[in-house]
Amino acid sequence: EVQLLESGGALVQPGGSLRLSCAASGFTFSNYGMSWVRQAPGGGPEWLSIIGDTGRVIFYADSVKGRFTISRDNSKNTLYLQMNSLRAEDTAIYYCVKEYNWGDIFFDSWGQGTLVTVSS
Amino acid sequence: EIVMTQTPATLSVSPGERATLSCRASQSVSRKLAWYQQKPGQAPRLLIYGASTRATGVPARFSGSGSGTEFTLTISSLQSEDFAVYYCQHYSNWPLTFGGGTKVEIK
Repeated sequence: EVQLLESGGALVQPGGSLRLSCAASGFTFSNYGMSWVRQAPGGGPEWLSIIGDTGRVIFYADSVKGRFTISRDNSKNTLYLQMNSLRAEDTAIYYCVKEYNWGDIFFDSWGQGTLVTVSS
Repeated sequence: EIVMTQTPATLSVSPGERATLSCRASQSVSRKLAWYQQKPGQAPRLLIYGASTRATGVPARFSGSGSGTEFTLTISSLQSEDFAVYYCQHYSNWPLTFGGGTKVEIK
């Protein structure tokens, strides 16, 4: 059974930084691209970033480009999201999600999410 | 960026009735369209991909259709567990985008 367990969410002040982690199990992590998707209160999901299976291919949504950095450690089956220069509008639940495959990037497994609140 | 528009925002349906949800893309996404179901306090769950292929374990009462810019999710006979919010997502190019959702509520 695929399991994705996010951690690292917290209350942070505007301009601050946070690092999210996602521990993956139940599948061969190094064979799949992984993404971060967030959902603001009352809103729909927003895709943020994807990293390919080896980590060499990375894409970002414009809303986080230059502020957020996705990375992975295949030896630890862990996905990361480094978030800098946080803004109030970054307040959301952040989900770690597994792609179906690289040619078809929809998400067949989701973590339970971790809450990030940006507020003074 | 491809904008995904879902209608209606809210759909009131009685149990046992049919529900039809729409998703429109601002440009063609071919059949690279997925549907998700989200219940309160839970993460979204994949229902449909490739516009019409049910994900593993999804009941046959859920069906998807469409291609290009117009897509439909149909729930043939609503069960109590189907009352939820439904989102579409295209995966035709970057960035991947989701629709704003349709809430299916009990009439």
